[in-house]
Amino acid sequence: QLQLQESGPGLVKPSETLSLTCTVSGGSIRSSSSFWGWIRQPPGKGLEWIGSINYSGNTYYSPSLNSRVTISVDTSTNHFSLRLSSVTAADTAVYYCASDGGGGASHYWGQGTLVTVSS
Amino acid sequence: QSALTQPRSVSGSPGQSVTISCTGTSSDVGGYNYVSWYQQLPGKAPKLIIYDVNKRPSGVPDRFAGSKSGNTASLTISGLQAEDEADFYCCSQAVDHVVFGGGTKVTVL
Repeated sequence: QLQLQESGPGLVKPSETLSLTCTVSGGSIRSSSSFWGWIRQPPGKGLEWIGSINYSGNTYYSPSLNSRVTISVDTSTNHFSLRLSSVTAADTAVYYCASDGGGGASHYWGQGTLVTVSS
Repeated sequence: QSALTQPRSVSGSPGQSVTISCTGTSSDVGGYNYVSWYQQLPGKAPKLIIYDVNKRPSGVPDRFAGSKSGNTASLTISGLQAEDEADFYCCSQAVDHVVFGGGTKVTVL
């Protein structure tokens, strides 16, 4: 069974870049899912899809975040990463990584990591 | 992009059925048979309970059923149980991206 684990700083300063990594275990990132995605949830609010990537590196991003988001994949180390630039307090959220079988069907999720944007 | 529209809350007594609607457009819900539903308990990651409109992952009780008509998808929970009290989110493929609904809190009376 796939397991996913997010890692990265829990505190980021405004205007800086948020960087998170998702490590996949229990399967190969090349073959265990069609896509690998990032979803976030501001405190007390709903889920927001950020974007996804396949093992070949093809990416799909939320139109509202497209100008600030970069998702990359490293098949040699079985992880994929999120970079979100020019962050503000509105980017404070729990960030989840997930396996996406296509069409937004994420069967496996990480536990989530809270990232706070504050000076 | 706009989030899919869900009711803020629904409630029912144990044993009853409740239905949550998820309204989008022809560019998302209506245009693809890729609607999924997630259950989220407090402090936990979401759990996939329905995908591809009406398919259930292994281990999800058949009390949960998904359907779609036009631009609106629905999740029906039959035989409501206390453990079903949670937030539920719909999700749909859209053009080059994925969109979530705003979420519905299900309360078991």
